[in-house]
Amino acid sequence: SQELEQSPQSLIVQEGKNLTINCTSSKTLYGLYWYKQKYGEGLIFLMMLQKGGEEKSHEKITAKLDEKKQQSSLHITASQPSHAGIYLCGADTNTDKLIFGTGTRLQVFP
Amino acid sequence: KAGVTQTPRYLIKTRGQQVTLSCSPISGHRSVSWYQQTPGQGLQFLFEYFSETQRNKGNFPGRFSGRQFSNSRSEMNVSTLELGDSALYLCASSFGGEKLFFGSGTQLSVL
Repeated sequence: SQELEQSPQSLIVQEGKNLTINCTSSKTLYGLYWYKQKYGEGLIFLMMLQKGGEEKSHEKITAKLDEKKQQSSLHITASQPSHAGIYLCGADTNTDKLIFGTGTRLQVFP
Repeated sequence: KAGVTQTPRYLIKTRGQQVTLSCSPISGHRSVSWYQQTPGQGLQFLFEYFSETQRNKGNFPGRFSGRQFSNSRSEMNVSTLELGDSALYLCASSFGGEKLFFGSGTQLSVL
């Protein structure tokens, strides 16, 4: 099984709706990173969370880290077509490399 | 500051051939990591180089190799290509290995 599970695998929402993507690790988290990817392109850094309970926001995207539950959530408020893409979480589990979840494909329709 | 540059952007090869991909990190970054991305497996870590030394390695066969030059530029090589090697190969650089900045990737198709 994957060390880092993301849910849901895909999401289709109407523009203006809120949505949440979850990322759960089977190992202790020392850092959690959120990236966005357009199909066939590189990953764009969104946010980094390092402390339990930490919450960060950028424009309409908020990410939280629950260290005890070994999970993070990414919340998008009032989604727009520009939010469409693949969202990936990357985890630092103290193995000197980032491991990634399989991603959540988000589609936003007008 | 220029971002991470990967070349070529697209590559088509046939089984049995070998391929070399190139990555130029962000200026000042000394760590370069390589990842393979496929629809079925997601992002899989290949290896990381720091100051010309391989610092970490994923679970890939020996056909996958890499190196880093004194200017931090990195190359990865895949020999004896197989159909299953078709993937998006992503390079990422960082100052010390934590927050990664990714290139646009090289899309490799093996026929």
